[in-house]
Amino acid sequence: SAVISQKPSRDICQRGTSLTIQCQVDSQVTMMFWYRQQPGQSLTLIATANQGSEATYESGFVIDKFPISRPNLTFSTLTVSNMSPEDSSIYLCSVGDRGRHNEQFFGPGTRLTVL
Amino acid sequence: AQSVAQPEDQVNVAEGNPLTVKCTYSVSGNPYLFWYVQYPNRGLQFLLKYITGDNLVKGSYGFEAEFNKSQTSFHLKKPSALVSDSALYFCAVRDPFKAAGNKLTFGGGTRVLVKP
Repeated sequence: SAVISQKPSRDICQRGTSLTIQCQVDSQVTMMFWYRQQPGQSLTLIATANQGSEATYESGFVIDKFPISRPNLTFSTLTVSNMSPEDSSIYLCSVGDRGRHNEQFFGPGTRLTVL
Repeated sequence: AQSVAQPEDQVNVAEGNPLTVKCTYSVSGNPYLFWYVQYPNRGLQFLLKYITGDNLVKGSYGFEAEFNKSQTSFHLKKPSALVSDSALYFCAVRDPFKAAGNKLTFGGGTRVLVKP
């Protein structure tokens, strides 16, 4: 399985600011995804990060709030913009490969607290 | 639209007893099904998957799951639970033949507490 790292592992931010989360994979992967896990809840897909094109966002998530970059097949960033306390969550990056029936492997997550 | 239900928020079991975590799903076609486990302050770890073939799937850490098409279920089981199995378990489904076939949909999660 792929080894996935995320930076930062956790952060405490002030409302109105932005935070960029990095996801690095140790091998080239086709699919990269960003999820949000609000406190005590399940995972919700934010968007699929597409290499060389704009991300594909799920209903309820917009590019202005969660801009995503995918400059190559091993790296992606998610920015949480103009944060409010409601953005306090764990943000997880995951990767999948079409050749492996797309089981996804997850990074350790970034725990974000917005004050 | 695809969906997953985990009807139990929490399952309590004594160490050494069998553990079952329930999952039912809804997809329009043949599903790909997955189980993940999340330990405190850590990301999700992949346990096992059902794609096709034998309905009984064996995975990591002694876990297994049985795919039941008629009941649209994919319950996770372990014959003898350990205290270290205490964690949050997620069932997930994807419909590979849909246009958004790469999308995983997760259940709400079930917290497992194994008592010594």
